[in-house]
Amino acid sequence: EAGVTQSPTHLIKTRGQQATLRCSPISGHTSVYWYQQALGLGLQFLLWYDEGEERNRGNFPPRFSGRQFPNYSSELNVNALELEDSALYLCASSLAGPNTGELFFGEGSRLTVL
Amino acid sequence: AQSVTQPDIHITVSEGASLELRCNYSYGATPYLFWYVQSPGQGLQLLLKYFSGDTLVQGIKGFEAEFKRSQSSFNLRKPSVHWSDAAEYFCAVGAVNDYKLSFGAGTTVTVRA
Repeated sequence: EAGVTQSPTHLIKTRGQQATLRCSPISGHTSVYWYQQALGLGLQFLLWYDEGEERNRGNFPPRFSGRQFPNYSSELNVNALELEDSALYLCASSLAGPNTGELFFGEGSRLTVL
Repeated sequence: AQSVTQPDIHITVSEGASLELRCNYSYGATPYLFWYVQSPGQGLQLLLKYFSGDTLVQGIKGFEAEFKRSQSSFNLRKPSVHWSDAAEYFCAVGAVNDYKLSFGAGTTVTVRA
């Protein structure tokens, strides 16, 4: 069974540009989570999607946005990139919401903003 | 709001020695507790989890953790470390009806020969 897959693996952008990151959850999982892992800051919760809807977001500005498609895959968009957006962006999936506990993580997309 | 503290940023341990990683949490409700491991260039892998019941939890790769409610702790242990255990370890807390896991800042483990 395929795990959570993310693309691209690496992405280099310049300040002010937009970045789009993609995530495919494990088959059967309807919830997708996005986390930002910046150097020295641990994992910060970004967004949670379930059944195509944004259910909650962390303490990030509106230029961080995303969506979930009917096949439950998800896209994270970061507009007007800033240097501090450089980080590893991790996607995770779970069965129908967080109460099941375990999140399954992808290997991440490393975004570098120059 | 929930929070997780991992007091040790970096731990160095000799191969074959025991390892203990500390985790303290703050949470108003009954917590779900997790330990994840992240090898270089990889995503996070679940080592073990605690929901309820026996407070000593066994996980993969020979790891175990003990939930101590009185101390708000969920420390991770391994009796004998292997070189492949060199990685970053994250403690996380969640709960019923919560929408996300909150992670600690992580502890980097270096294993020396």
